[in-house]
Amino acid sequence: NAGVTQTPKFQVLKTGQSMTLQCAQDMNHEYMSWYRQDPGMGLRLIHYSVGAGITDQGEVPNGYNVSRSTTEDFPLRLLSAAPSQTSVYFCASSYRDREQFFGPGTRLTVL
Amino acid sequence: KQEVTQIPAALSVPEGENLVLNCSFTDSAIYNLQWFRQDPGKGLTSLLLIQSSQREQTSGRLNASLDKSSGRSTLYIAASQPGDSATYLCAVNAGANNLFFGTGTRLTVIP
Repeated sequence: NAGVTQTPKFQVLKTGQSMTLQCAQDMNHEYMSWYRQDPGMGLRLIHYSVGAGITDQGEVPNGYNVSRSTTEDFPLRLLSAAPSQTSVYFCASSYRDREQFFGPGTRLTVL
Repeated sequence: KQEVTQIPAALSVPEGENLVLNCSFTDSAIYNLQWFRQDPGKGLTSLLLIQSSQREQTSGRLNASLDKSSGRSTLYIAASQPGDSATYLCAVNAGANNLFFGTGTRLTVIP
């Protein structure tokens, strides 16, 4: 099993550009989530999904969009990038409320 | 909103010492609590998961306890080794595997 995979590993964007962070898991997990990690603030939940076709907002959803068309994939879209979205983004998955597994992260810089 | 606090923010100990990391949370209505390890520039590695009905969980040299009523958890590391140097994160599951994270304890084990 590859576990949770994320692409790209690094990305630099200009203000106003859009992009999609990819996340995939091969463990047949129902639950998937996106977090961002900023210095001194810990990880914060952006969006989450409890199954294909079902998504909901977390603590910091503004500026991000998600969809879940398959169990395996949960992409995160930045609609119009802003410098405040410079962060490290982590995707995670779990079987319901069990142990959560994290991907290696995407380091995003918005200039 | 759930608030998670980890004390101390940083800890430096000589090799072989036993140590305790602390985590406190404000809302006792949790599903479970998970401890993670994060190495610099890397993703999160799950260490232990304690269900809300459990008091403690052990894995090798690690032991985690949970006192839900007082909103506290501890991670005990026995016979510390230089390879244990990392940041340790505590996360509380508020449901639908929405995790609320502390800002972590940065541990350095000196050979």
